[in-house]
Amino acid sequence: DVKVTQSSRYLVKRTGEKVFLECVQDMDHENMFWYRQDPGLGLRLIYFSYDVKMKEKGDIPEGYSVSREKKERFSLILESASTNQTSMYLCASRIGLEETQYFGPGTRLLVL
Amino acid sequence: GQQVMQIPQYQHVQEGEDFTTYCNSSTTLSNIQWYKQRPGGHPVFLIQLVKSGEVKKQKRLTFQFGEAKKNSSLHITATQTTDVGTYFCAGGGGTSYGKLTFGQGTILTVHP
Repeated sequence: DVKVTQSSRYLVKRTGEKVFLECVQDMDHENMFWYRQDPGLGLRLIYFSYDVKMKEKGDIPEGYSVSREKKERFSLILESASTNQTSMYLCASRIGLEETQYFGPGTRLLVL
Repeated sequence: GQQVMQIPQYQHVQEGEDFTTYCNSSTTLSNIQWYKQRPGGHPVFLIQLVKSGEVKKQKRLTFQFGEAKKNSSLHITATQTTDVGTYFCAGGGGTSYGKLTFGQGTILTVHP
């Protein structure tokens, strides 16, 4: 069974703080993704990575950066958290193009 | 960029009634995937459609991909309380590295 884990289920941060969200997958998948989920907006892609040290911007990359130093780990970084980044953050991975995406349990982030 | 619209946003049904959710893309898709997210959970892959006009069934669930590969539907026959959740479609449009564009999701409530 594919397992995608995220470092926290719930996180509360203050405006201006630097926030790290970690995602780890155990199936040697090449592609990894970060989405945010907001009511009525579905899942919106922030960044994705198709290989170690490779990344591409998704649809809403502003205010975020990512890091992929190892194949199994993909980190999302909020350089200076803002209240409009309060959301559910979902990480996903897949083995190759046009394959199934496997999602982690999500991190619900509240920025005060 | 590519947009995937999904309707309705909400659907309330009595147990035993049928349910359908629809997806429409602004561009031709290479494939479409469907995911289900239970309340408090994360999206879980249901199925992928690739061919024009394709129809696939999973027990009470029927998935269709339009002839022009720009729309898709998910139909559930005789809903059960276990069907509650949010159903997402996600279109692959042949963009860089097979990025998926998710619809907004349909939240299904089933009243016993």
